[in-house]
Amino acid sequence: DTAVSQTPKYLVTQMGNDKSIKCEQNLGHDTMYWYKQDSKKFLKIMFSYNNKELIINETVPNRFSPKSPDKAHLNLHINSLELGDSAVYFCASSHPTSGADTQYFGPGTRLTVL
Amino acid sequence: GNSVTQMEGPVTLSEEAFLTINCTYTATGYPSLFWYVQYPGEGLQLLLKATKADDKGSNKGFEATYRKETTSFHLEKGSVQVSDSAVYFCALITNSGYALNFGKGTSLLVTP
Repeated sequence: DTAVSQTPKYLVTQMGNDKSIKCEQNLGHDTMYWYKQDSKKFLKIMFSYNNKELIINETVPNRFSPKSPDKAHLNLHINSLELGDSAVYFCASSHPTSGADTQYFGPGTRLTVL
Repeated sequence: GNSVTQMEGPVTLSEEAFLTINCTYTATGYPSLFWYVQYPGEGLQLLLKATKADDKGSNKGFEATYRKETTSFHLEKGSVQVSDSAVYFCALITNSGYALNFGKGTSLLVTP
């Protein structure tokens, strides 16, 4: 069974469109994250949710809106896509909320904005 | 603020060569340190971790020791294989933090 899954794996879309990426974890973790990996492979946190509540919101444009319907899911909705949003987006989860506990990553969603 | 600095890649080695990838960090408090690996086209996998000074993390022949005095967590492997070709990320998280701070990654290519 896949621990952290993301859909879709690839997403190609036009500028100005709205799109969503879904993430699900079956590890029973309390905390979920979205990271963005740019073209130079640099990884940066975007959001973190703990028990469906937002605990980290880095300086991300408000076109990006995370939604956590339950502890096992954290979806990322992006409005009015721009060229600079092209990247690989990784979902991750961990338990408990901080410290030394390992974060488990999904396979990533490669978003290409044309 | 917290930050991680890794040696620039790409690193190219012949099979069975010795590998060192340097990683140093700046952090408030006492961070936990991690090495993650990303194989081509895949997500990140935890390779090893250490949670306090002088701890040694090890996995699949890779090792790294948490050195508080030099704020370092260098990754080593005695004999690399072609299958070790990947991008390696050093990362930290502090006790009060909720997200990993990553280095920029080091690409490793092992040739037969």
